[in-house]
Amino acid sequence: QKEVEQDPGPLSVPEGAIVSLNCTYSNSAFQYFMWYRQYSRKGPELLMYTYSSGNKEDGRFTAQVDKSSKYISLFIRDSQPSDSATYLCATKYNFNKFYFGSGTKLNVKP
Amino acid sequence: GAVVSQHPSRVICKSGTSVKIECRSLDFQATTMFWYRQFPKQSLMLMATSNEGSKATYEQGVEKDKFLINHASLTLSTLTVTSAHPEDSSFYICSAKSEVTDTQYFGPGTRLTVL
Repeated sequence: QKEVEQDPGPLSVPEGAIVSLNCTYSNSAFQYFMWYRQYSRKGPELLMYTYSSGNKEDGRFTAQVDKSSKYISLFIRDSQPSDSATYLCATKYNFNKFYFGSGTKLNVKP
Repeated sequence: GAVVSQHPSRVICKSGTSVKIECRSLDFQATTMFWYRQFPKQSLMLMATSNEGSKATYEQGVEKDKFLINHASLTLSTLTVTSAHPEDSSFYICSAKSEVTDTQYFGPGTRLTVL
């Protein structure tokens, strides 16, 4: 079992839709979670990070962590074509050990 | 804040030559930097973790003599692909870990093409 599992998609939605991107993780010891956005042929860009269970909001983005079910989500409100990218979830374990999901490709259609 | 640069962004070289890629944290110090490789439509593959002033830790299957990593300062790490071959062609991405946020910030990537 991989440490972080993520549906690769692709996920296609119309502009303005609410997008839900999800990951599951295997180890309840993971405490720190991140979401990255990667455009084609670019490096990943950090969107959000959170330590705790519950929601963290930043503009149109909300990160949600449910530690009881080992489930992390990223919600995008009012999705735009410019949100079309691959989204990577990640978690950190110990000092320098990071685990990344394989990424979900999102396509927001105008 | 937390900007990471990579240079060059793109390089084409002949088989057998060596190529050096630089990774710099521009506005923060990074004790730890990471080097990844990414094939088209695939996820990140961690190659090695480099710590300032010490030897890099390579992931299983990554040849340390082939991919030389130097992390000589708190803002600069370099990856040298030695005696490059066409199978080394790939997208190489570095990241730097911020001690403030305890997370990684990625560079824009370097596309290497070996002819």
